[in-house]
Amino acid sequence: GENVEQHPSTLSVQEGDSAVIKCTYSDSASNYFPWYKQELGKRPQLIIDIRSNVGEKKDQRIAVTLNKTAKHFSLHITETQPEDSAVYFCAAPSYSGAGSYQLTFGKGTKLSVIP
Amino acid sequence: DGGITQSPKYLFRKEGQNVTLSCEQNLNHDAMYWYRQDPGQGLRLIYYSQIVNDFQKGDIAEGYSVSREKKESFPLTVTSAQKNPTAFYLCASSIEGSSYEQYFGPGTRLTVT
Repeated sequence: GENVEQHPSTLSVQEGDSAVIKCTYSDSASNYFPWYKQELGKRPQLIIDIRSNVGEKKDQRIAVTLNKTAKHFSLHITETQPEDSAVYFCAAPSYSGAGSYQLTFGKGTKLSVIP
Repeated sequence: DGGITQSPKYLFRKEGQNVTLSCEQNLNHDAMYWYRQDPGQGLRLIYYSQIVNDFQKGDIAEGYSVSREKKESFPLTVTSAQKNPTAFYLCASSIEGSSYEQYFGPGTRLTVT
């Protein structure tokens, strides 16, 4: 099955600085890479995703980059704000038999933005 | 935050009792999932269902059971065989399989003593 490793587990940045979170995956057939944000006490929500036919995707202050050769993808948050403080999860799908795919999540990165 | 609901928000049970967690969605999604969230462990897949009357085990299915008799409902039973049931349980759904956005419910925090 898929093995997804996420680093760092915690990250503190000053407001206005950039934050980068990295994930590696093992299944070379994986073709979809979402990032979820979970604020304290709330449900995870998708913030950005990328498919394997592109190398980068941006949405305002958030971007995701994908390196299929090296099997890693990264989340980039620029001009961080206190409301960016949350736990971020990466994920990658893996084939689980009988035509089914399941998402494997990283263990999460707790981002703290210091005002 | 509508679309997918879980009840109750908090649940307390004595050891040795089975307990069923509810998950309902009105998004007309085919696929539904159950995850367990423990501190520092991320989201671990318990069971998933891609279509009514069909479901597959995830990575940590032991001690759990599910049913999918209706498209909008995917209840999870935590049995007495689950050795460490105290956790935060999240239900999710997606249009189809895992290559599409998953929408999560608000979660149920289960405490077994």
